[in-house]
Amino acid sequence: GENVEQHPSTLSVQEGDSAVIKCTYSDSASNYFPWYKQELGKGPQLIIDIRSNVGEKKDQRIAVTLNKTAKHFSLHITETQPEDSAVYFCAAVGYSSASKIIFGSGTRLSIRP
Amino acid sequence: NAGVTQTPKFQVLKTGQSMTLQCAQDMNHEYMSWYRQDPGMGLRLIHYSVGAGITDQGEVPNGYNVSRSTTEDFPLRLLSAAPSQTSVYFCASSYSGQQEAQYFGPGTRLLVL
Repeated sequence: GENVEQHPSTLSVQEGDSAVIKCTYSDSASNYFPWYKQELGKGPQLIIDIRSNVGEKKDQRIAVTLNKTAKHFSLHITETQPEDSAVYFCAAVGYSSASKIIFGSGTRLSIRP
Repeated sequence: NAGVTQTPKFQVLKTGQSMTLQCAQDMNHEYMSWYRQDPGMGLRLIHYSVGAGITDQGEVPNGYNVSRSTTEDFPLRLLSAAPSQTSVYFCASSYSGQQEAQYFGPGTRLLVL
């Protein structure tokens, strides 16, 4: 079946440094790639997304890059802050109405003071 | 707007018992969905609905039933609970489908003994 692999599963960075989370998808028909942030005890919240017709998207300290040829996409967080500590999920969705959203297994990001 | 609400927040069931997890949204979203979240496995789609009266299966539908009689409500029913259904359940909604931001509820933690 379709699959999204996410790495690393845990990541610890010094406050102010950058963090990078990577995902690889298997379905070449995937064309929408959202990233969600989940804080402790809460539901996931969309932080950024990218569609297959662009290679990069930025929103302040957060950026996402997409390599369709290699079928992988990455989340980049610069100048990390304590409030960035959370679990991050990537996902992939195909354009077909029958396509089901597939989530990665998550990355627990910890920001060291 | 309250967004997406879920009840109960926490439930303990015995094997074989039935229960309904409630989900409601006040954003007039057409698309609603249910996920389960298990450690190390991310979010997996159980069932979804593209509008009132229309439902379909996701990645892991076995053991769960849904119905959508109104735009606002999308309950998830466990007819005969099993320990394998111990999980955290999230309801989500969006304007029209999977290729846009999903708004998640706060989750229901279910323990089946």
